[in-house]
Amino acid sequence: DIQMTQSPSSVSASIGDRVTISCRASQTVSKSLNWYQQRPGRAPSLLIYATSYLQNGVPSRFSGTGSGTDFTLTINGLQSDDFATYYCQQSYSIPRTFGQGTRVDIK
Amino acid sequence: EVQLVESGGGLVQPGGSLRLSCAASGFTFRSYSMNWLRQAPGKGLEWISYIDVPGSSIFYADSVKGRFTISRDNDKNSLYLEMNNMRDEDTAVYYCSRGYNSGSFDSWGQGVLVSVSS
Repeated sequence: DIQMTQSPSSVSASIGDRVTISCRASQTVSKSLNWYQQRPGRAPSLLIYATSYLQNGVPSRFSGTGSGTDFTLTINGLQSDDFATYYCQQSYSIPRTFGQGTRVDIK
Repeated sequence: EVQLVESGGGLVQPGGSLRLSCAASGFTFRSYSMNWLRQAPGKGLEWISYIDVPGSSIFYADSVKGRFTISRDNDKNSLYLEMNNMRDEDTAVYYCSRGYNSGSFDSWGQGVLVSVSS
């Protein structure tokens, strides 16, 4: 199974900040890397698929980069709606696996 | 609007069985692969099963293989998860999710809580 490791586990940030979350795979996943946002008590929602493609309706302040084993989710200009937990997920092979999550909270 | 609504959760004893359903609407169900995922209390996300459009290609996570069975009825726009020989560690919120581009999950139900306890 491909192990996904996110860093940091949590980050405190202020409105307007730039936040970067890293995701590392234990072996190459090529560009098959997706990002999700989960607000407390809610189902996850897809933010970015295939490393860098923004899902419909996702604000352009979210962006994704990377390839192979190292990936980054960036939020440019943090908004109040963005305080949530973020997960990466590889879709290169089965079983699909997720990172442990990165919680973004208010500084 | 895409809607996925899970049902069938509840409290079950260890070794017991439960059947989850997921009712889909707002899209052509028979055109999409589907998945079940779960989230234990306070924990991260775990993919547990996949089924393709005709229901002929099915995969499971090792944690549920041999105990859980995924199925679908394209005429009823419904996805199912039959759970047998349940364990304490199966306690979680279970989500059904639509398969999307690049193996992502683009639409999720609201989730249904399954608790395994004596």
